[in-house]
Amino acid sequence: SYELTQPPSVSVSPGQTARITCSGDALPKQYAYWYQQKPGQAPVLVIYKDSERPSGIPERFSGSSSGTTVTLTISGVQAEDEADYYCQSADSSSSWVFGGGTKLTVL
Amino acid sequence: QVTLRESGPALVKPTQTLTLTCTFSGFSLSTSGMCVSWVRQPPGKALEWLALIDWDDDKYYSTSLKTRLTISKDTSKNQVVLTMTNMDPVDTATYYCARAIYGSGSSWFDPWGQGTLVTVSS
Repeated sequence: SYELTQPPSVSVSPGQTARITCSGDALPKQYAYWYQQKPGQAPVLVIYKDSERPSGIPERFSGSSSGTTVTLTISGVQAEDEADYYCQSADSSSSWVFGGGTKLTVL
Repeated sequence: QVTLRESGPALVKPTQTLTLTCTFSGFSLSTSGMCVSWVRQPPGKALEWLALIDWDDDKYYSTSLKTRLTISKDTSKNQVVLTMTNMDPVDTATYYCARAIYGSGSSWFDPWGQGTLVTVSS
């Protein structure tokens, strides 16, 4: 079955830039999406269609794509950005998949 | 404002069938491009996509669970129902429903309901 691979954890100091990657063979052909999940809360969409930012999401969140890897970048990380981040895509037009999640720690 | 809320039993016994209802507002499932999906998350683990139903009543299921899942909609009540048969303790998870928007050959989930924790235990 199709898989999206994320690093289990990323750590950065406040004000630095965090980069979270997601790899998958179908990513050159399928859009990727990113969700932020804080403890005890439902996921929230932070990036759609690789690099688009929904309204209400801070500008420090951005997304990019290169080949089989997509990247979520958080510039000027703040303490409130500490959360789990999940990428999501599809292996076809009718089957969806999530990455294993990355825990972002703000030191 | 789009909102979704999951409801169903908090505890089910092994081998029983789970029935969950997603009640939503702020959009119509008869509108082209609108879908509702179910996603679950075992405690401390990652998100897992389960099923999706679209505006045209087309249904899609996780390959690994499709023999156990059924998704249906009642457009007049703004509800989507998920049933999962033969429940097992490994199915213990928080179950979320989310609006899915289909566009440019792809779908994403936004927003999500608050989730409902289902525990499978005798």
